[in-house]
Amino acid sequence: AQSVAQPEDQVNVAEGNPLTVKCTYSVSGNPYLFWYVQYPNRGLQFLLKYITGDNLVKGSYGFEAEFNKSQTSFHLKKPSALVSDSALYFCAVRSSMDSNYQLIWGAGTKLIIKP
Amino acid sequence: EAGVTQSPTHLIKTRGQQATLRCSPISGHTSVYWYQQALGLGLQFLLWYDEGEERNRGNFPPRFSGRQFPNYSSELNVNALELEDSALYLCASSLEQGTGSTRAFFGQGTRLTVV
Repeated sequence: AQSVAQPEDQVNVAEGNPLTVKCTYSVSGNPYLFWYVQYPNRGLQFLLKYITGDNLVKGSYGFEAEFNKSQTSFHLKKPSALVSDSALYFCAVRSSMDSNYQLIWGAGTKLIIKP
Repeated sequence: EAGVTQSPTHLIKTRGQQATLRCSPISGHTSVYWYQQALGLGLQFLLWYDEGEERNRGNFPPRFSGRQFPNYSSELNVNALELEDSALYLCASSLEQGTGSTRAFFGQGTRLTVV
């Protein structure tokens, strides 16, 4: 069965420090991987995606994510956190073999950046 | 360009009643998706409409239904409301079929509270 795991409910980082939000997945076939962010009282916003190619994907707001096939992970990273990065982050995956094109979503990780 | 709009933003219903939620996609987008985001859970896929047809539905009972109109706007109907239906309901639209192939644009959601 396809699944996505975000093992941390909450991540706390001091402003200016690097941040990592973890995501692991399980799919048959090749994975298509996504990160979305949900700010308070706002809808989800697309951050970045990995379909194929370079394992390091750069996205919006200075975020990047690294696809690691052997570890089946797609961790979200940023070199220097901002207080404004505080939000709920969702990882999602679909299998290249899924003709329904539907995403499987993680439960979300709350990122808190402290000044 | 207007984003995905959902109405109402908040909805309070009593158990057993029916709720109707509305979504207007981004102009030109033909695919509309509905998700349920319950507290502490990831996004659970509800329904996918494209070109007026239901293309796929998630693992929800039949009392969750919807439709897509000729202008591509969509309604989600929840009959015989139960307390467990209390959640944020998100609508998304995309230009291409399936949220798993490209980025999806999300509305701000309708917060449904069943009392």
